[in-house]
Amino acid sequence: GENVEQHPSTLSVQEGDSAVIKCTYSDSASNYFPWYKQELGKRPQLIIDIRSNVGEKKDQRIAVTLNKTAKHFSLHITETQPEDSAVYFCAASGRYQKVTFGTGTKLQVIP
Amino acid sequence: SAVISQKPSRDICQRGTSLTIQCQVDSQVTMMFWYRQQPGQSLTLIATANQGSEATYESGFVIDKFPISRPNLTFSTLTVSNMSPEDSSIYLCSGTDNTGELFFGEGSRLTVL
Repeated sequence: GENVEQHPSTLSVQEGDSAVIKCTYSDSASNYFPWYKQELGKRPQLIIDIRSNVGEKKDQRIAVTLNKTAKHFSLHITETQPEDSAVYFCAASGRYQKVTFGTGTKLQVIP
Repeated sequence: SAVISQKPSRDICQRGTSLTIQCQVDSQVTMMFWYRQQPGQSLTLIATANQGSEATYESGFVIDKFPISRPNLTFSTLTVSNMSPEDSSIYLCSGTDNTGELFFGEGSRLTVL
């Protein structure tokens, strides 16, 4: 089955700086790569996603890149704000719409 | 976006008992899944809930411990059977729409004493 690895496990940045989270996946059949933000005590919320026919996607301060050849994908958050502090999960989906999650990155934005 | 509701939102249970979690989704949902999130951990897929037939379980999860029903398109239940403290987790009902986007219910936080 699919295996998704995520790094780093924790990340501290100063407010206004950028944050980058990187993931790799194993199943070449995966074609959908969502990113979720989970605040303490809440359900995971989709923040951005990318499909395998696209190399990059941007939504305001958030961007994702995908390298299918290398099976790498990354989340970039620019101009970080304290409200960006949360746990972020990358994920990969392919066969039967099953979504496999990475191990998570706890992002702390220091004011 | 799809709307997914589950209950109970939390419960405290005694060792050896069983608890059933209910999940209701709106009509945009095609596939339904159950995930477990242990404290401070990622989300682990328990099973795919199949309408009108037995669920498809992931490695490490068995029907006797986590029986799942999905009698119709929009409703599913997960039972955690013969609970032990190791079953203390958040259990999340989820579903995908026809684009494959995955939505989550609010989660059910179980504490087993």
